[in-house]
Order: sequence, then structure tokens, then C-alpha cells
Amino acid sequence: NAGVTQTPKFRVLKTGQSMTLLCAQDMNHEYMYWYRQDPGMGLRLIHYSVGEGTTAKGEVPDGYNVSRLKKQNFLLGLESAAPSQTSVYFCASSWVPRVVGPYYEQYFGPGTRLTVT
Amino acid sequence: QKEVEQDPGPLSVPEGAIVSLNCTYSNSAFQYFMWYRQYSRKGPELLMYTYSSGNKEDGRFTAQVDKSSKYISLFIRDSQPSDSATYLCAMSAYFNKFYFGSGTKLNVKP
Repeated sequence: NAGVTQTPKFRVLKTGQSMTLLCAQDMNHEYMYWYRQDPGMGLRLIHYSVGEGTTAKGEVPDGYNVSRLKKQNFLLGLESAAPSQTSVYFCASSWVPRVVGPYYEQYFGPGTRLTVT
Repeated sequence: QKEVEQDPGPLSVPEGAIVSLNCTYSNSAFQYFMWYRQYSRKGPELLMYTYSSGNKEDGRFTAQVDKSSKYISLFIRDSQPSDSATYLCAMSAYFNKFYFGSGTKLNVKP
């Protein structure tokens, strides 16, 4: 199994350009998440999805859109990139926590380093 | 005010030392607590998961949660150079949103 994969690994954009980051998981997980990681800020949740066709806003959703048309894929879009969106983007997935308490894990991808100039 | 506060370090210890990493939080609804380890230029990987209060031990790692003080800790016994990484705490109330600390960078010197 590949786990969680992210495409691309690196990208440089000019201000105003658009792009889509792709996250794919092969673990049949229901939940998927997009985070950004900035120095001194830790990981901050951008958007998440609790199932195919559903998405919801996280902590820092402005300037991003997402789609979950297939259960295994979660796309993050930047319509008009800004320098403030320079960051490392992580995708994660998990199963539905049907039994509260005993065990839970969120699997992360390797990240996408995005620079907006 | 941030939901989760974590000292960024860096923390430098000699090999074999006991390491203590801590986070405080403000949201009393948090009931799921996690510690992640992140090596440079890699994604985070789960180390420990704790539900509600109490202690949990896994090998050289012990996680503690004190909900009354809104304080969680991760202890690493007999630290190894391979433990050198950034450690992130994370917590959630309902599993749909997770709040992460900023991470503590640990360096274990041989």
C-alpha cells in the first residue's frame, strides 16, 4: 500500500496564478484533511471531509477551495495564489472513529512545498 | 489566544536522558490527545494517542493527560539520537477538527 500520497512535491507559483494539489489515499478512509504548516505556527487545518461529496471549513479556509468527488481523492485548490500562501501543505486521512476511545490514527502524506513569489 | 500552546524549544539533551515535552490547552471540550513525531522534511507520524485523562505507556514513551489542569505531557526514557525530531501535540473534541501545537524541536546528542 502507498498510504497517503501528494502531488506535486514542490511548486513555485507567481502571485495570482492558480493550482490544484492532489491527495490520494488507498486505505479506504472516510475522513480526509488538508493542513498547512508554517514556522512557529504548527499545523493548521484548512478544510476537511467526512465522506465522499462532503467538505467543511477548518481553521484557516480563506483563499482555498476543496473537492472530494471520489472517496480516495481530496483536492485542494488555490484560485489566486498570494505570497501568504507560501507554506508546506499536508494531507491526512483516517477512518471513522466508530468506537470511542481505544485507538485512533491520522495518516499523513509527505507534504507539498509551495512557494508563491 | 491559541487553542494549544507548546514550547518550540529547541531542547538539547545527552543520549540516555529523560525528556519531558509539554502542551497546554484552553478548550475544556478536548478529549482526544495525540503526540506526533516529525522528522525534517517529512510528514508527522503518530506516536501516542490518549482518550480522556490518564497515562499511557508504549515502550520508552509515556503520555500523560491532566484534564483538570488542561496539560498534557510526553516523556521519553533513555533518549536516543534517533529520537531527534520535532514533536507535535494535537487534540480534538469531536474528531472532525484537530488543533496542533507549534512543535518542540528535540536534539539528542550522542
